[in-house]
Amino acid sequence: QQQVKQSPQSLIVQKGGISIINCAYENTAFDYFPWYQQFPGKGPALLIAIRPDVSEKKEGRFTISFNKSAKQFSLHIMDSQPGDSATYFCAVTTSGTYKYIFGTGTRLKVLA
Amino acid sequence: EAGVTQSPTHLIKTRGQQATLRCSPISGHTSVYWYQQALGLGLQFLLWYDEGEERNRGNFPPRFSGRQFPNYSSELNVNALDLEESGLYLCASRLRVSGNTIYFGEGSWLTVV
Repeated sequence: QQQVKQSPQSLIVQKGGISIINCAYENTAFDYFPWYQQFPGKGPALLIAIRPDVSEKKEGRFTISFNKSAKQFSLHIMDSQPGDSATYFCAVTTSGTYKYIFGTGTRLKVLA
Repeated sequence: EAGVTQSPTHLIKTRGQQATLRCSPISGHTSVYWYQQALGLGLQFLLWYDEGEERNRGNFPPRFSGRQFPNYSSELNVNALDLEESGLYLCASRLRVSGNTIYFGEGSWLTVV
């Protein structure tokens, strides 16, 4: 049972454009929603995270939008740069549990 | 503060051999996770250790095993390696009590030939 559905699988964006990656979850017990960025050959690194008590969190060019009723959250990368080209994973977890479930990943390519 | 460190960086093994991978968590972190990232695929949960105990394992055969030492470092062992098990093995650590975020190491590349 896939508990986190991530889309799209791949994304090509022009430099300066907006990249949008979406995740949908099923279990309402999840209460922490991070995004990870992974460059080829490297481990995933935490990019930004949100809790369900806020609808949006922004850090620089990266924004998470959270829709609790729809059980969806998305990553927006504003003014996308070639250096943003990487694979992005969403994840969900519940505080106090071990479970950390990842989406299937989105391979982003930003064209110069 | 040092991050999660993994060794070796690269490892080449022959089919049927055993591989041992090591992980040192961030100082103060007591939980260690292991994930497998086969070529081009997502992150598959392997094992979770906390306070020296195996707390949960993913859908992998018993050939995948490990342990956590008193200093919270961890070791992953894979016996009877198969070609399909080539990929990046990632270790992550988390503060057990208050932390929600898990932090990954750079991974160990395992090639089975």
